[in-house]
Amino acid sequence: DTGVSQDPRHKITKRGQNVTFRCDPISEHNRLYWYRQTLGQGPEFLTYFQNEAQLEKSRLLSDRFSAERPKGSFSTLEIQRTEQGDSAMYLCAGSFGGKLFFGSGTQLSVL
Amino acid sequence: GIQVEQSPPDLILQEGANSTLRCNFSDSVNNLQWFHQNPWGQLINLFYIPSGTKQNGRLSATTVATERYSLLYISSSQTTDSGVYFCAGGFGNQFYFGTGTSLTVIP
Repeated sequence: DTGVSQDPRHKITKRGQNVTFRCDPISEHNRLYWYRQTLGQGPEFLTYFQNEAQLEKSRLLSDRFSAERPKGSFSTLEIQRTEQGDSAMYLCAGSFGGKLFFGSGTQLSVL
Repeated sequence: GIQVEQSPPDLILQEGANSTLRCNFSDSVNNLQWFHQNPWGQLINLFYIPSGTKQNGRLSATTVATERYSLLYISSSQTTDSGVYFCAGGFGNQFYFGTGTSLTVIP
């Protein structure tokens, strides 16, 4: 158990719809990361939170993407007006002592 | 950003064999980690190893920070070792992943 839960496990949506993913890390994970992984590639950094503050965002995170971490606990990643190119595995990771612990991810398929 | 090169990209081993996976970084990193992604997609942290050598059972890792590379050793491989191995490094709070080494261990 990595201490990071993600929901849902799979999401199928139609192009143009909005989707939201949730990540629940254990309280010790004061840092929280979102990554995106496509087939055959390593995870790509999207954004990072230190407690509730969003401190870094990748250029990959277009204005259709928004992430929040209210009260420094769970986090949500929303994608508006989904496109087929958004299809990927979205991974959340908590960090404690510099070490990353990943959730199982949410597999998004945009039809 | 930092470029991370992993080799070999693919590896097929007979059960019981040993292997060495390598990770090269284009720039200095102060945080380096190795992960195993199982066939179901779960990433498991194997080592947090910014420098030096660590061992955990049949796995060990060595990072030579001054030369910007890290090695992961797998001894007496088992079929459950199959999957993709990633290294990730960073300086600060952003981690860069390589494209992984896909390992298949056959019985």
